[in-house]
Amino acid sequence: AQKITQTQPGMFVQEKEAVTLDCTYDTSDQSYGLFWYKQPSSGEMIFLIYQGSYDEQNATEGRYSLNFQKARKSANLVISASQLGDSAMYFCAMSYTGGFKTIFGAGTRLFVKA
Amino acid sequence: NAGVTQTPKFQVLKTGQSMTLQCAQDMNHEYMSWYRQDPGMGLRLIHYSVGAGITDQGEVPNGYNVSRSTTEDFPLRLLSAAPSQTSVYFCASSSQGAGGQFFGPGTRLTVL
Repeated sequence: AQKITQTQPGMFVQEKEAVTLDCTYDTSDQSYGLFWYKQPSSGEMIFLIYQGSYDEQNATEGRYSLNFQKARKSANLVISASQLGDSAMYFCAMSYTGGFKTIFGAGTRLFVKA
Repeated sequence: NAGVTQTPKFQVLKTGQSMTLQCAQDMNHEYMSWYRQDPGMGLRLIHYSVGAGITDQGEVPNGYNVSRSTTEDFPLRLLSAAPSQTSVYFCASSSQGAGGQFFGPGTRLTVL
């Protein structure tokens, strides 16, 4: 069965510092995708970054990078130079079955302190 | 370009009532899906569609029906609402199943 685990219910980070949000996954599929989404307090879901299971290089999008360690089945999100606007809920997700099904983790709430 | 739109934003139903949550996208995406978000549980896939006329079940399909007659629209029908269906419902679309999804603003549904 497919599973996503986010073990940090809440995280604090000082403004301008980097923070790592943990995500581990479990799947028997060889082809899968890993995603991170941000959900601010306003409620919308915002796609941040994607990593394919066959991609050898870690994905990066601006201040976001995905630390993909396939053997350890981890897909941690690194946010560099945190900003107050980064305070939000962050969800790790995995697509499988040819990319047509997606499961989400329970999320990590990030608080950025001024 | 409106992206993904959902109506209504809020809805209160009585147990046993039926209703349809509307979802539309104007990005010509083949893939659309419905999720529900409950506190502490992240999002769970209800149904998805890979194109007009093609739908399939997700993780929690019971009590919900979908159809996809056009590329743009993907309505979600609650057949007989139950209090366990109180949740926030998100519709999403993407250009292919493996890409990042674009989400609608959500519908907050309360079933009394």
